[in-house]
Amino acid sequence: QKEVEQDPGPLSVPEGAIVSLNCTYSNSAFQYFMWYRQYSRKGPELLMYTYSSGNKEDGRFTAQVDKSSKYISLFIRDSQPSDSATYLCAINTDKLIFGTGTRLQVFP
Amino acid sequence: KAGVTQTPRYLIKTRGQQVTLSCSPISGHRSVSWYQQTPGQGLQFLFEYFSETQRNKGNFPGRFSGRQFSNSRSEMNVSTLELGDSALYLCASSLGGVSYEQYFGPGTRLTVT
Repeated sequence: QKEVEQDPGPLSVPEGAIVSLNCTYSNSAFQYFMWYRQYSRKGPELLMYTYSSGNKEDGRFTAQVDKSSKYISLFIRDSQPSDSATYLCAINTDKLIFGTGTRLQVFP
Repeated sequence: KAGVTQTPRYLIKTRGQQVTLSCSPISGHRSVSWYQQTPGQGLQFLFEYFSETQRNKGNFPGRFSGRQFSNSRSEMNVSTLELGDSALYLCASSLGGVSYEQYFGPGTRLTVT
């Protein structure tokens, strides 16, 4: 079993839609969770960083961690074409463990 | 504050050659980690340096090595290049420790022919 599992997509949504991106992880000891956005041929850009369970909101983005089910989510409200990218969940242990990434396309 | 910078951005090498990639972290960051990104394997951890010491290492062969200088800048070296080493090599910097965010540079795209 992989330490972090992520649906690779692709996910295609119309502009203005609410997007839900999800990952599951295997080790209940994990505590630090990150979401990165990566545009084509660029480095990953840190979007959200959460610790333990709960929600964290930043503008149109909300990160959610449910430690009881070992599930992490990123919600994007009012999605824009500029949100089209690959979204990577990552867990910070003594290194970053990444999911495979979900390709998101937001069409006008 | 300037972000993480990596040089060169693109590189083409021949099998059997060696290559050195450079990473300058965000000012004040003492930890630099290196990752390899390929379409098939995704992002994989190579190693981490903190205060000039390798603190953690991933599952890569000994052909992959690195070092960190006193100003926290880091270099990664790959010797005896193989076709499978073609990838985007990313470095990330942080203040150090698992509770801190890691910020990535733009990467060096290495093509081995």
